[in-house]
Amino acid sequence: QVQLQESGPGLVMPSQTLSLTCTVSGGSFSGDNDYWSWIRQPAGKGLEWIGHIYRGGSTAYNPSLKSRITMSIDPSKKQFSLRLNSVTAADTAVYYCARMPNSRYFDFWGQGTLVTVSS
Amino acid sequence: QSALTQPASVSGSPGQSITVSCTGTSADVGYFNYVSWYQQHPGKTPKLIIYDVRYRPSGVSNRFSGSKSGNTASLTISGLQAEDEADYYCSSYTISGTLVFGGGTKLTVL
Repeated sequence: QVQLQESGPGLVMPSQTLSLTCTVSGGSFSGDNDYWSWIRQPAGKGLEWIGHIYRGGSTAYNPSLKSRITMSIDPSKKQFSLRLNSVTAADTAVYYCARMPNSRYFDFWGQGTLVTVSS
Repeated sequence: QSALTQPASVSGSPGQSITVSCTGTSADVGYFNYVSWYQQHPGKTPKLIIYDVRYRPSGVSNRFSGSKSGNTASLTISGLQAEDEADYYCSSYTISGTLVFGGGTKLTVL
């Protein structure tokens, strides 16, 4: 059973950079079909796909966030990371990491971590 | 990319069947058979219940079924139970190689 765990600061100052890491355990990390994704959900609102990364480092990002996102991956640590710069209050949300078989759907999710953007 | 369109809410009585629609475009829902559905109870993590339009992951009740016609996908829940009360989200792969979610549908079991 694949397990994912998000980690990172719960509070980020406006205009600064949000940084999160997802650690994967209990399963393959570098499978041919495994993509790794970030999704967020503001309180009381719907899900928003942020982007995903493949083991070799290739990425796909949500066009609305693309200019502010960087994703990276470290297969040796079974981790992947998200950096979102120039944050505002609108970036306050629960951030989830998830596995994406063949980049088509999300089958295993982390428990989510709340990130608040506030001074 | 625009979010897929879902009804804000649906409701049904125990034992009944309900259907949630998810409307996209010929660049996402209509182009690929890569629509998925997620169930989210309040305060909980989303759970995959349908992938690739109609397939259920192991352990998901066969009361959940999915289909697609043109640019609209549908999730049907038969034999409604109180535990089905939750938010439901659709998602689709797009021709740009990205993913897009629907706005979510709140299911109330009367």
